[in-house]
Amino acid sequence: NAGVTQTPKFRVLKTGQSMTLLCAQDMNHEYMYWYRQDPGMGLRLIHYSVGEGTTAKGEVPDGYNVSRLKKQNFLLGLESAAPSQTSVYFCASSLSGRLETQYFGPGTRLLVL
Amino acid sequence: LAKTTQPISMDSYEGQEVNITCSHNNIATNDYITWYQQFPSQGPRFIIQGYKTKVTNEVASLFIPADRKSSTLSLPRVSLSDTAVYYCLVGERTGTASKLTFGTGTRLQVTL
Repeated sequence: NAGVTQTPKFRVLKTGQSMTLLCAQDMNHEYMYWYRQDPGMGLRLIHYSVGEGTTAKGEVPDGYNVSRLKKQNFLLGLESAAPSQTSVYFCASSLSGRLETQYFGPGTRLLVL
Repeated sequence: LAKTTQPISMDSYEGQEVNITCSHNNIATNDYITWYQQFPSQGPRFIIQGYKTKVTNEVASLFIPADRKSSTLSLPRVSLSDTAVYYCLVGERTGTASKLTFGTGTRLQVTL
């Protein structure tokens, strides 16, 4: 039981490049989330999903897209990376509610040059 | 714009009780209050959750007043390993809905 895993752990992009961050959970959770955390700051919700095939915008969705084609996976895409998207990205999942215990992945460090 | 705020940092000696308060004066009526702990280079980890009054588990207590506009995480007898950043998580009212909002985080430093 790996919990929540994220791929990759670290990535460097040039401005304008695209990439996809993968989050996978093996706990059969319905809800999944993508957050970003900037140095010295808290976590801000980018997008979330309440079940397979559904997605919704969070607090800071601009510049990101997501997909939840399979229940266990939640993908975060950057179509055209910008330096302002340099951050640590965390994925999380919860069983069946937004404020139930969220289980977080180890994070993906993204540097956009 | 209402924010969920916490003190930026706190210092404590090992063995002391530490109380960290989160102010969330725009909390949604039906949402729980959850606290997380985060170590460097790791994702946050669940500590405790409550709706009102007092909740206690094996690692912490959570105190929530009747108006639910704040909450206090209490860590009894902290040790060096409790040095971390602590976040509250609430649902903030936005019209008829609510949005997940993490607090600003409190960096706790425990020393001998």
